[in-house]
Amino acid sequence: GAVVSQHPSRVICKSGTSVKIECRSLDFQATTMFWYRQFPKKSLMLMATSNEGSKATYEQGVEKDKFLINHASLTLSTLTVTSAHPEDSSFYICSATSQGTYEQYFGPGTRLTVT
Amino acid sequence: AQSVTQPDIHITVSEGASLELRCNYSYGATPYLFWYVQSPGQGLQLLLKYFSGDTLVQGIKGFEAEFKRSQSSFNLRKPSVHWSDAAEYFCAVQRGGTASKLTFGTGTRLQVTL
Repeated sequence: GAVVSQHPSRVICKSGTSVKIECRSLDFQATTMFWYRQFPKKSLMLMATSNEGSKATYEQGVEKDKFLINHASLTLSTLTVTSAHPEDSSFYICSATSQGTYEQYFGPGTRLTVT
Repeated sequence: AQSVTQPDIHITVSEGASLELRCNYSYGATPYLFWYVQSPGQGLQLLLKYFSGDTLVQGIKGFEAEFKRSQSSFNLRKPSVHWSDAAEYFCAVQRGGTASKLTFGTGTRLQVTL
């Protein structure tokens, strides 16, 4: 149980375009989802926290207009990187948790490359 | 604010040898503590967690960790390492309360020699 998927696993896009990454909880209702970014050989940095039906809460230094997060249902959250640039290339990982629990379940990650 | 320190960036051990990965945290109260493992290009897999109770926690793949409040530590151990254990290991802290964000350490890369 507690499986989280991400799609796509890898994406390459041209500079200036937008790309959407999906995060789905497959067998539980995810009341809260988290989006992390991981640079090569670095730790995970929390970008934002999203609660179903509410606006996401962004961490300091994360541009909310660039990284659009939507959590419209209890099983799906999306991260859209708008007007992507090469510096946005990174590994993006989502996690999900259900109401009343402490543990976060992580997706397998999405490798974004902006050319 | 909570923080996590993993002093060892890279550790190399021989297969069959014992392993200890260090983790120290900074938090005003007793946090919830986690160890995750990440293989290259993959997501995170939970090895074990500590919320309360017995300070020695058993996890998957033969790993264990011990919470020591006096030292603000939560070190990960394994008595005999296998080549497949080579990966990146992250310690994380979460303040009490559901749906709280995790703060990760910088990670320790484990290399296993045959």
